[in-house]
Amino acid sequence: QVQLQQWGAGLLKPSETLSLTCAVYGGSFSAFYWSWIRRTPGRGLEWIGEINHSGSVNYNPSLKSRATISVDTSKNQFSLKLSSVTAADTAVYYCATRIAVSGTGWFDPWGQGTLVTVSS
Amino acid sequence: SYVLTQPPSVSVAPGKTARITCEGNNIGSKSVHWYQQKSGQAPVLVIYYDSDRPSGIPERFSGSNSGNSATLTISRVEAGDEADYFCQVWDGSSDLPFGGGTKLTVL
Repeated sequence: QVQLQQWGAGLLKPSETLSLTCAVYGGSFSAFYWSWIRRTPGRGLEWIGEINHSGSVNYNPSLKSRATISVDTSKNQFSLKLSSVTAADTAVYYCATRIAVSGTGWFDPWGQGTLVTVSS
Repeated sequence: SYVLTQPPSVSVAPGKTARITCEGNNIGSKSVHWYQQKSGQAPVLVIYYDSDRPSGIPERFSGSNSGNSATLTISRVEAGDEADYFCQVWDGSSDLPFGGGTKLTVL
């Protein structure tokens, strides 16, 4: 059974780069897509992007210019970098497993979440 | 983008039935998944493939999907069901897979 554990800096200044990492325990690292999602008070759940074991990535177009998702298969980890952060990027960030089946997909399980606050 | 619309809030008395809707154009042709997020916790999948329940999710949680609306139904609502609920669709073409969320208040 897959379990996710995430970590990263929780307090950033405007214009800095957000950096988070998620470790995958159990299950097959090559069987799923690995996603980043954030929860903001005003915008609910927002999908940021995803990557698979071979490094194929997909991004939310609204964040594509600032987001970079990478994978380290030797460690069963994947990471998110979001550049030039502003207060609007303040949110709880989650890593999640996307299970893809027959043209659809759902997110299960999720990491514990990391509160990232952007403030000068 | 494919837009999913949920009511911002639903209120229900304990022991009654709560119904949370998720509207989208011809959503009945897609697979809908539902998440429960309690305060301070990560989201948890409660329904997938419109109406399937993951192991560990009570039978009180059920789902349906037809036409332009999907519904999450919670029977015999308990105080512990108070949470935000989100619907989700994934067809590979939308950058907005989640609905806006519904806050369920147990009176």
